[in-house]
Amino acid sequence: DIVMTQTPLFLSVTPGQSASISCKSSQSLVFSDGKTYLYWYLQKAGQPPRLLIHQVSNRFSGVPDRFSGSGSGTDFTLELSRVEAEDVGVYYCLQSVQPPWTFGQGTKVEIK
Amino acid sequence: QLLESGGGLVQPGGSLRLSCTASELTLSRNLMNSDLLNWVRQAPGKGLEWVSAIRGSAETYYAGSVKGRFTISKDFSKSTLYLQMNSLSAEDTAIYYCAKDRLEIWGQGTLVTVSS
Repeated sequence: DIVMTQTPLFLSVTPGQSASISCKSSQSLVFSDGKTYLYWYLQKAGQPPRLLIHQVSNRFSGVPDRFSGSGSGTDFTLELSRVEAEDVGVYYCLQSVQPPWTFGQGTKVEIK
Repeated sequence: QLLESGGGLVQPGGSLRLSCTASELTLSRNLMNSDLLNWVRQAPGKGLEWVSAIRGSAETYYAGSVKGRFTISKDFSKSTLYLQMNSLSAEDTAIYYCAKDRLEIWGQGTLVTVSS
């Protein structure tokens, strides 16, 4: 199975500042179709997860441009800029290049 | 937009079948034509665990922790996704979510508790 390792596991961010979350995979997430199957989700307390970024860097419908994704191969980053209070929650990366799909451990983000 | 049902309290060794439908007609019509339909679970206070996926009507995938015990299926006539869970143990206690394609759309989840 592909292991997804997120760092850090906890982030405390001042409103208006920026933050980044790293996600590293144990194998390349590039599929034979040339696409990279790396996704980012945010789960707020008591809610299901919500898709933020698909295929490394594409923001999903309705996601503010404060969220951006980058990376390639096995090394990926989610950037949060101009952090707002509503950005609190747990952020997960996911690989779906091959089953079983696997999530990172989650990064809990709080606002100072 | 997706609605799970069928959760509840079950004894160890027991079985349960979860269902997932769409709340809106348009999504319901498209649900069975999705490239992939998935089940993802979250144990209390823990992270997310992908459980199973189905592509088309017969191509299925499972996490190692449930393989041989869980079965994913679709009923096109009812526009419903199922997860048949057998030989349940305490480790299966979780909120179970259904999710569409690459987990773009999620349901609110249904709680499964395995306890005597």
